[in-house]
Amino acid sequence: GIQVEQSPPDLILQEGANSTLRCNFSDSVNNLQWFHQNPWGQLINLFYIPSGTKQNGRLSATTVATERYSLLYISSSQTTDSGVYFCAVNNDYKLSFGAGTTVTVRA
Amino acid sequence: NAGVMQNPRHLVRRRGQEARLRCSPVKGHSHVYWYRQLPEEGLKFMVYLQKENIIDESGMPKERFSAEFPKEGPSILRIQQVVRGDSAAYFCASSPQEGNGYTFGSGTRLTVV
Repeated sequence: GIQVEQSPPDLILQEGANSTLRCNFSDSVNNLQWFHQNPWGQLINLFYIPSGTKQNGRLSATTVATERYSLLYISSSQTTDSGVYFCAVNNDYKLSFGAGTTVTVRA
Repeated sequence: NAGVMQNPRHLVRRRGQEARLRCSPVKGHSHVYWYRQLPEEGLKFMVYLQKENIIDESGMPKERFSAEFPKEGPSILRIQQVVRGDSAAYFCASSPQEGNGYTFGSGTRLTVV
């Protein structure tokens, strides 16, 4: 299957700081999604982004499909941004998830 | 505009009991997937179903686990004779097309005591 590596594994931020999360994948993919799992365990779909750049408020994502990586940017972080961020890719119906980046935003 | 509904949110079972997890997909979605998240790990694919058909159950343990998606009603993931190692969060997703447009539910957290 497709291997997905996320970095860094852990990130501690002061409120207001900016950060970049990275997702590398081992093969070309048709689909790439970013998810946020909040401290209550809910999994929220942030972006569907197989290529290009998208923005949603303080979050934006860029996928460079030819180089097999995607970046998630968090700007002006808030405590509600805390949680685990997952990248997931697929070519067929099976999503392959990375191990996630655990983000802790301190007030 | 309901998304994927999973219930219960939390389920506690004693070893040897049965666990039934329910998933109602987004209205109009005919593709349902189940994923398992073990503690401090990413999600792993278990099974992919369409109405009345199991398409791929390669990620599901061969024994004690079964899944269905009947013509009417929610998809059910059934775990018989649960063991402590089954404790995990189980997520259901649905999509309007195969492999595209996933929406995930909030998950069911199973604890086996």
